[in-house]
Amino acid sequence: DQQVKQNSPSLSVQEGRISILNCDYTNSMFDYFLWYKKYPAEGPTFLISISSIKDKNEDGRFTVFLNKSAKHLSLHIVPSQPGDSAVYFCAASNTGSARQLTFGSGTQLTVLP
Amino acid sequence: DTAVSQTPKYLVTQMGNDKSIKCEQNLGHDTMYWYKQDSKKFLKIMFSYNNKELIINETVPNRFSPKSPDKAHLNLHINSLELGDSAVYFCASSQDRYSSTDTQYFGPGTRLTVL
Repeated sequence: DQQVKQNSPSLSVQEGRISILNCDYTNSMFDYFLWYKKYPAEGPTFLISISSIKDKNEDGRFTVFLNKSAKHLSLHIVPSQPGDSAVYFCAASNTGSARQLTFGSGTQLTVLP
Repeated sequence: DTAVSQTPKYLVTQMGNDKSIKCEQNLGHDTMYWYKQDSKKFLKIMFSYNNKELIINETVPNRFSPKSPDKAHLNLHINSLELGDSAVYFCASSQDRYSSTDTQYFGPGTRLTVL
């Protein structure tokens, strides 16, 4: 039972354009959402997060949008750079006695020069 | 400065052996974790541990056990290795797992291959 879904396994974007990565979730108890970037043979690196009390969080070229009613979040990268090419994981944690992250399966982003 | 480190990076071993993976964090965090990335690339929590409480994912076989000599270290011991244990194992740490905005930071991973 996948509670966090990334339905696009891959995405290719031209350098300088916008990259939009999508994530859907089913558990309404999730209240904190994170994006991680992962290069081959490395661990996931924290990128940006958003609390459920917000609908947008921005950090430089990266913006995360949260639509709670649709149980959907997205990561926008503008402008995309070749160094952004990596696997991006969406993760969510829920309120409770101890938080655990539930991850999506990842989206491979390729930014073409 | 490496925040979360793991050793070894690669581990190849025979079925039935017992092995350990070490993890250290220098972030001063209270909680450490072990994740398994399976063949479908999903990262799944195995353990969550601080000095007071161990939370075990119920799907983890009891051949797997975390051992923490101190707050900065959480090692993973695996007994009687099986072929299905082949995966990449990630260690992570966070400041406070009870915080609503707790963020986890990951190590580089250990690729375990069981022959």
